[in-house]
Amino acid sequence: EAAVTQSPRNKVAVTGGKVTLSCNQTNNHNNMYWYRQDTGHGLRLIHYSYGAGSTEKGDIPDGYKASRPSQENFSLILELATPSQTSVYFCASGDARQYEQYFGPGTRLTVL
Amino acid sequence: QQKVQQSPESLSVPEGGMASLNCTSSDRNFQYFWWYRQHSGEGPKALMSIFSDGDKKEGRFTAHLNKASLHVSLHIRDSQPSDSALYFCAASEGNYQLIWGSGTKLIIKP
Repeated sequence: EAAVTQSPRNKVAVTGGKVTLSCNQTNNHNNMYWYRQDTGHGLRLIHYSYGAGSTEKGDIPDGYKASRPSQENFSLILELATPSQTSVYFCASGDARQYEQYFGPGTRLTVL
Repeated sequence: QQKVQQSPESLSVPEGGMASLNCTSSDRNFQYFWWYRQHSGEGPKALMSIFSDGDKKEGRFTAHLNKASLHVSLHIRDSQPSDSALYFCAASEGNYQLIWGSGTKLIIKP
């Protein structure tokens, strides 16, 4: 079965610190996505990628950077973390031939 | 205004009953619709897709799409406690991005 893993699963960071969230997929999917989930907002797209070396801005990219060094790996980087970035972050992968997305288990980030 | 709106926000159904979830889009470019289910502590998982007008049935789950009114619904018959979860409606124009509703929390009471 398709597999997307995320690390860490939980993270506590300090305001102004740098945070890197990692995602790995073994599906060989071209497309990968980073979302954040907050109560009342559903899933909001931060960045996405169509393949190694590409990153695109989603709906709420401010304060976030993304990196796609390989087909399998997609990272989300918070250079200067702020308390408003406290959330649950999900990574997903998707096949270019269909529209279904496969999600990882999520990372709970708390910025103090 | 969100392009994909779901109702109700929360729904409580007795075990064995019928649960009905609704989703309305405000964008006529959306051609593809998905229902995703998220259990507590997990990532969302695709439940079923519907791309054509009418009904699509998969086991206890039936999705209905009316493109003219931009309305999608999900009906769960013989609801089980394991159906308790957050249900998302998602829509796409066909560009591999999904636009998500804010979700319906379904509680199945034993």
